[in-house]
Amino acid sequence: KQEVTQIPAALSVPEGENLVLNCSFTDSAIYNLQWFRQDPGKGLTSLLLIQSSQREQTSGRLNASLDKSSGRSTLYIAASQPGDSATYLCAVWATNAGKSTFGDGTTLTVKP
Amino acid sequence: NAGVMQNPRHLVRRRGQEARLRCSPMKGHSHVYWYRQLPEEGLKFMVYLQKENIIDESGMPKERFSAEFPKEGPSILRIQQVVRGDSAAYFCASSPPFKGAGELFFGEGSRLTVL
Repeated sequence: KQEVTQIPAALSVPEGENLVLNCSFTDSAIYNLQWFRQDPGKGLTSLLLIQSSQREQTSGRLNASLDKSSGRSTLYIAASQPGDSATYLCAVWATNAGKSTFGDGTTLTVKP
Repeated sequence: NAGVMQNPRHLVRRRGQEARLRCSPMKGHSHVYWYRQLPEEGLKFMVYLQKENIIDESGMPKERFSAEFPKEGPSILRIQQVVRGDSAAYFCASSPPFKGAGELFFGEGSRLTVL
């Protein structure tokens, strides 16, 4: 059974800092890994999707990497802004599953 | 191209009543997933459906919960005889046809409160 862990559970940084969010998973046989953002009381917004054959994906100030062999992914946020404050979730789609398994998320607060 | 549409956004029910949550997937998407998010917890998979078929319901509670995705119309998650522990946000996601795995697109969720 795939288990997904996100550390830390919460993170507070001053505006302008570069930061890294971590996601680890127990079963390295995956199809893809997807990073989402969730604002309070809202749905999930897809940020980046990394296929199993890829090592990283970039969108603007966001860069996500994938290392299947170690069961890890990182989401790098450059030059953080208060508007980046949200909960970030990673979801892993294992090859023996018909759906994605989510981590519990990292709640990020960027202070002005 | 409208996103995944869920309604109602907020629903209040008394214990013992029924709750019906609806989800219309994005145009062209044939796969629908329901997830539940309990207060202060992560998203937990409930059920995966394609048109007229339940593919995986391994996350559905054995009693009181059911889901359908008819040939016409939205997918519906039905909770009978609700209890306070059913209070949660219920999210629907859809994905386009895929080989192996899909990319998930989520709705805004339906927040159920049981009094």
